[in-house]
Amino acid sequence: DAGVIQSPRHEVTEMGQEVTLRCKPISGHDYLFWYRQTMMRGLELLIYFNNNVPIDDSGMPEDRFSAKMPNASFSTLKIQPSEPRDSAVYFCASSFGTSGGLKTQYFGPGTRLLVL
Amino acid sequence: AQKVTQAQTEISVVEKEDVTLDCVYETRDTTYYLFWYKQPPSGELVFLIRRNSFDEQNEISGRYSWNFQKSTSSFNFTITASQVVDSAVYFCALIRGGNNDMRFGAGTRLTVKP
Repeated sequence: DAGVIQSPRHEVTEMGQEVTLRCKPISGHDYLFWYRQTMMRGLELLIYFNNNVPIDDSGMPEDRFSAKMPNASFSTLKIQPSEPRDSAVYFCASSFGTSGGLKTQYFGPGTRLLVL
Repeated sequence: AQKVTQAQTEISVVEKEDVTLDCVYETRDTTYYLFWYKQPPSGELVFLIRRNSFDEQNEISGRYSWNFQKSTSSFNFTITASQVVDSAVYFCALIRGGNNDMRFGAGTRLTVKP
């Protein structure tokens, strides 16, 4: 089975440009998570969805960040306008269920974003 | 509040040595879940193990073993007879029951030298 798919794998853009990161979760998973990894702050949860509905976006750094999940097989994380401090690796993860300990999150390969 | 502490920032060993990575967690919840992930140099995050708070059994998988002790709030990870391919950053993480907010430790960078 395919794992979590993210695109693009690498993105280089200039400050002020819009950046869109994409994620396809594992089929059948009902939770989707977006994380950011930086040297300074480590791995941070940005937002997560359950059955396509955003549940907790308290980790989204500011209004420049937005995330959507229009259907069960696709999610986007958008940064507009981008800034150099947004440079990081962005991971998407998915999981199935909440009961019985079925909380294991499986991660995509990540998108390495560099904002110049 | 929930918190995961990995006090060892970096560890370097020589191949075939045993190595233990420490993880100490804090939570007020009685139900929670603990995880270990591996991040090799290629960058992906690979799931290794999940432990539920109500299951304190230790686990062994090949050269890997995990020691979960609620009395000391620790979930330590031991690699026996380490290999160069074990070189990676290892993260311990915690999810509270009824929640999906996974909190990661800062990670321990393990280097295994030939």
